[in-house]
Amino acid sequence: DAGVTQSPTHLIKTRGQQVTLRCSPKSGHDTVSWYQQALGQGPQFIFQYYEEEERQRGNFPDRFSGHQFPNYSSELNVNALLLGDSALYLCASSLGTGEGTDTQYFGPGTRLTVL
Amino acid sequence: GQQLNQSPQSMFIQEGEDVSMNCTSSSIFNTWLWYKQDPGEGPVLLIALYKAGELTSNGRLTAQFGITRKDSFLNISASIPSDVGIYFCAGPMIQGAQKLVFGQGTRLTINP
Repeated sequence: DAGVTQSPTHLIKTRGQQVTLRCSPKSGHDTVSWYQQALGQGPQFIFQYYEEEERQRGNFPDRFSGHQFPNYSSELNVNALLLGDSALYLCASSLGTGEGTDTQYFGPGTRLTVL
Repeated sequence: GQQLNQSPQSMFIQEGEDVSMNCTSSSIFNTWLWYKQDPGEGPVLLIALYKAGELTSNGRLTAQFGITRKDSFLNISASIPSDVGIYFCAGPMIQGAQKLVFGQGTRLTINP
């Protein structure tokens, strides 16, 4: 049973550049959520995708956008990178309907460093 | 901002000791989740709680969903070196909404 996978594991960018992070959900899951985790803090919700649409969004600017594909995998895009965007980006998958929809399983994360 | 308060923020214990940490909220939660995170890794789900008063175990770990729905506890018995890490409580802001909010984490350090 494949768990949540993310790529790449590490990424270094410079200010102003754009980045795309990728996530494949756990087998059987149809919902993908993205979180940003700064050093020493808990994860902060960015947005969630279900049925290829953004279902919820946290308090993040429009520079953060995403996409979900028909196979439920997802991308997180960040434009015009700032130094403060340096963080561990986590993808979590879950079921969109039915019991246990609140239970999310996380991937290993992508460490983004902005110079 | 975060709405869950975890305590203690850090713990330094001897191997073999029992550990207890808790999480409180000013709002009611219908689900409580406990995760463990190792450095540079993603959080790993330890225990999920869905009913007030529920007591659930996973090996040496035991977690309880508080009766008031505003708190939860995680206990680790007979700690071992691999228990080192940061423990987070989390819950959805609205039932079924799936937007998880996290506590600040409890960092556990074990002296052999």
